[in-house]
Amino acid sequence: GAVVSQHPSRVICKSGTSVKIECRSLDFQATTMFWYRQFPKQSLMLMATSNEGSKATYEQGVEKDKFLINHASLTLSTLTVTSAHPEDSSFYICSARRFVVGETQYFGPGTRLLVL
Amino acid sequence: ILNVEQSPQSLHVQEGDSTNFTCSFPSSNFYALHWYRWETAKSPEALFVMTLNGDEKKKGRISATLNTKEGYSYLYIKGSQPEDSATYLCAGTDFGNEKLTFGTGTRLTIIP
Repeated sequence: GAVVSQHPSRVICKSGTSVKIECRSLDFQATTMFWYRQFPKQSLMLMATSNEGSKATYEQGVEKDKFLINHASLTLSTLTVTSAHPEDSSFYICSARRFVVGETQYFGPGTRLLVL
Repeated sequence: ILNVEQSPQSLHVQEGDSTNFTCSFPSSNFYALHWYRWETAKSPEALFVMTLNGDEKKKGRISATLNTKEGYSYLYIKGSQPEDSATYLCAGTDFGNEKLTFGTGTRLTIIP
């Protein structure tokens, strides 16, 4: 149990276009989902936290108009990178959490974004 | 928790040998320590969540301990197997905050 999928696994796009990444909890309802980014040789850095039906909470330094997050249901959150630029090229990974005290977050396999 | 550190960055271990590595974190305002195993092209797999000082958890040949007073956790692997090759991540959460702060990981390679 506690499987999270992420789609696409890899995407290449042109500078200026927008890219949408989906994160789904397959066998549980996720009250909270998280989006992380990882640059080479660095740790996973939290970008934003989203709760179903409410606006996402963004970490300091993350532009909310650049990285649009929608968490419309208890099993789906989407991250849209708007007007992507080469510096947005990175590894994006989501996680989901059930409303169970003391439980950990369950991660998707990640999305590698390359902006040309 | 602002800074979680892991050491070593990478490690090569002969098959059959046992090994361990470290995660250190600021002990003030600590709530929980999470360990994950991350194989290439797969999702990070949750191994353990620990909260209490002196906690010890075990899953097969893998175990972990927690010292919240001095701010460190050890992950042990007994009798390493090739399938143990992965990056092992630790992450901490502060009290009252569910955000995970990750270390950079320990990349473990088991040599057959």
